[in-house]
Amino acid sequence: GIQVEQSPPDLILQEGANSTLRCNFSDSVNNLQWFHQNPWGQLINLFYIPSGTKQNGRLSATTVATERYSLLYISSSQTTDSGVYFCAVGNNFNKFYFGSGTKLNVKP
Amino acid sequence: GAGVSQSPSNKVTEKGKDVELRCDPISGHTALYWYRQRLGQGLEFLIYFQGNSAPDKSGLPSDRFSAERTGESVSTLTIQRTQQEDSAVYLCASSFMSSYNEQFFGPGTRLTVL
Repeated sequence: GIQVEQSPPDLILQEGANSTLRCNFSDSVNNLQWFHQNPWGQLINLFYIPSGTKQNGRLSATTVATERYSLLYISSSQTTDSGVYFCAVGNNFNKFYFGSGTKLNVKP
Repeated sequence: GAGVSQSPSNKVTEKGKDVELRCDPISGHTALYWYRQRLGQGLEFLIYFQGNSAPDKSGLPSDRFSAERTGESVSTLTIQRTQQEDSAVYLCASSFMSSYNEQFFGPGTRLTVL
């Protein structure tokens, strides 16, 4: 299967700070998504981004498929951004592979 | 429906009992996925449906686990003779057509095996 590595595993920020989360994957993919898992366990879709750059408010993401990585940028972080951020990739066999996540704690 | 729904939200069972977990995908989504998430860990792929067929069952942890889908809609994940290591949150997701498209998750079923 595809190996997905996320870094850093843990991140503590002061409210208002910016951060970059990284996702590396070991093979070519046809789908890449970023999710935020909130403290209640719900997975919230952030970006569907198999390639290119997208922005949504304070969040943006870039995927460089040829180099097998994706970056999630969080600007002006807020306490509500706390939780676990997952990267998931999909391949031609209709499987999805998840990284182990980045646990973010934004302090007021 | 508006989103993926799962039931029950919580299930506590005794070791050795069978359990059934249900997933209702977004209407029109032909692809459906089951995952398991142990406490503090990432998501583990279990099985994928395209329509009512499951072309890939390789993620199922043992022969105690089975899943079916009917009417290209609702899916049921069954765990027979539950063990304590089956305790986890079981998540269902659906997408339009295939893994090329965005998948959307339900709220999950938290299973506790005593």
